[in-house]
Amino acid sequence: DAGVTQSPTHLIKTRGQQVTLRCSPKSGHDTVSWYQQALGQGPQFIFQYYEEEERQRGNFPDRFSGHQFPNYSSELNVNALLLGDSALYLCASSLQDPRGEQYFGPGTRLTVT
Amino acid sequence: DAKTTQPNSMESNEEEPVHLPCNHSTISGTDYIHWYRQLPSQGPEYVIHGLTSNVNNRMASLAIAEDRKSSTLILHRATLRDAAVYYCILRDVSYQKVTFGTGTKLQVIP
Repeated sequence: DAGVTQSPTHLIKTRGQQVTLRCSPKSGHDTVSWYQQALGQGPQFIFQYYEEEERQRGNFPDRFSGHQFPNYSSELNVNALLLGDSALYLCASSLQDPRGEQYFGPGTRLTVT
Repeated sequence: DAKTTQPNSMESNEEEPVHLPCNHSTISGTDYIHWYRQLPSQGPEYVIHGLTSNVNNRMASLAIAEDRKSSTLILHRATLRDAAVYYCILRDVSYQKVTFGTGTKLQVIP
């Protein structure tokens, strides 16, 4: 089992551009959550997808959007990039059960210049 | 969201037990207590979770206060591989949202 995989590993973008990050969940998991982790901080919840719909959302602007595909994989899109969007973006997969654990991927390091 | 409070950092000698505290005085009856840890350059890793009773697994033990306003993660014998940031998190059974704090950075001294 490959666990949670994310691509790309690193990414450099220019302010104002758009970016798409990808996540494949752990086999058997149907729920994908996305987090943003700034340097030295804990991960901040962006949103969660289940059954191809956004189920929960954190305090992030509409520039952050996502999608979940029928195979449960997911994408995170960020439009009109700002310097402050530079961070590690983590994807976590789980079953639709708040009592269960989330499995995190290694993350995508996004740098906005 | 109910919040958690943890010390910023702690030190432990290798092979000794470590007790990592977490305060969550505003916890609600439907909140589960989860612990994750994040090793350098990796995503967070699930450690353990519980609701009311103490819990044990192969990685650690979780001791939950009777009033549930605090909990303690116990690593029975710290190894150098346990050096990480440990996060105490509350998860409402009605929602999937997970809120991380700043965690406790554990340093293990050989």
